[in-house]
Amino acid sequence: EVQLVESGGGLVKPGASLKLSCVASGFTFSDYWMSWVRQTPGKTMEWIGDIKYDGSYTNYAPSLKNRFTISRDNAKSTLYLQMSNVRSEDTATYYCTRYYSALDYWGQGVMVTVSS
Amino acid sequence: DIQMTQSPASLSASLGETVTIECLASEDIYSNLAWYQQKPGKSPQLLIYYANSLNDGVPSRFSGSGSGTQYSLKINSLQSEDVSIYFCQQNYDSPRTFGGGTKLELK
Repeated sequence: EVQLVESGGGLVKPGASLKLSCVASGFTFSDYWMSWVRQTPGKTMEWIGDIKYDGSYTNYAPSLKNRFTISRDNAKSTLYLQMSNVRSEDTATYYCTRYYSALDYWGQGVMVTVSS
Repeated sequence: DIQMTQSPASLSASLGETVTIECLASEDIYSNLAWYQQKPGKSPQLLIYYANSLNDGVPSRFSGSGSGTQYSLKINSLQSEDVSIYFCQQNYDSPRTFGGGTKLELK
């Protein structure tokens, strides 16, 4: 059974940094592109970016490219999202997803709240 | 960026009814269109990919169609468990943009 389990969320102050993790199981992690997607409290869905199966290529939403970094450790079957200089508009639930023609598996999501 | 315009934003329908949700892309996305269902309090789940391919385990009352810039999701014989938010997403080009969502409720 495919499982994606995110962690690392919480309450952070504006301007801080935060790193989210996603541990994958039930499939060969190193065979798949992976993506991060976030959903605002108002339910708007936003694609953040993705990373190639070997970690050699990343792709980002232009509005987030300068502050967010996606990486992976295939030996640990773990996907990461490094967020820097966070803003109130980054408040959302962050989902780790597997990409195979579409986002075919989603984690349970982790909440990030940016507030002073 | 490719803009995805989804309609309607909300929809109320009766059990057994057929409902249709539309998604309009700002340019041709060559059928690289997915539909997701998000039940209340849950993570989204993939329903349809490549515009009309049903994901494993998805009931056959769900179907997708369309090409070019216009796509639709059809739900036949609406069931109570179909109450959800539905999203379309284009996977043709980066950034892989989503529609605004359609909240489906029972009448």
